[in-house]
Amino acid sequence: EAGVAQSPRYKIIEKRQSVAFWCNPISGHATLYWYQQILGQGPKLLIQFQNNGVVDDSQLPKDRFSAERLKGVDSTLKIQPAKLEDSAVYLCASSLGSGGSPAYEQYFGPGTRLTVT
Amino acid sequence: DAKTTQPTSMDCAEGRAANLPCNHSTISGNEYVYWYRQIHSQGPQYIIHGLKNNETNEMASLIITEDRKSSTLILPHATLRDTAVYYCIDRDNYGQNFVFGPGTRLSVLP
Repeated sequence: EAGVAQSPRYKIIEKRQSVAFWCNPISGHATLYWYQQILGQGPKLLIQFQNNGVVDDSQLPKDRFSAERLKGVDSTLKIQPAKLEDSAVYLCASSLGSGGSPAYEQYFGPGTRLTVT
Repeated sequence: DAKTTQPTSMDCAEGRAANLPCNHSTISGNEYVYWYRQIHSQGPQYIIHGLKNNETNEMASLIITEDRKSSTLILPHATLRDTAVYYCIDRDNYGQNFVFGPGTRLSVLP
């Protein structure tokens, strides 16, 4: 089966510019996650969608980050305006569900490496 | 913050078993132990999970202590392709999300 697709794989922008990342989850997966991974650290959850509704966005810096999942399938994550500290890998993951049943492991895409100069 | 602690790094000889420990002393009764790994420039990959009993699949074995405060991931015959960062996470199955720590960087040496 096809995995989680993300694009672009790499992006370089200057601070104060805007950028958008796209994610296509595994077909049939209701839950979609965006993570930020700073070099040397584990991934940190930014936002979780269940179908097209937001379940958890408590760690999303809402003054500059936004995300949407129209029609409950693809998702975009936007940063506007970018700061130097936003340089990181942005990972998208999907799972069949988000809880209430055993073992909803998450499947991750390859990530988008963002460099803000 | 992550609720698990792992060694920062480990080495293992190719063909030998790699034993990666994880401490989760505050784990609660309904929380599972999950292991993921992240090979360079890729997203994390699910390996295995367990609640109380030891588990085995085609990738690895998971040994959980009787008091559930620690576990060990075993790669029985490590290869160079097993070089990665390994993450141990405890979470429940009722809405809790994965909280990743820095993990253990495993280097498999020829």
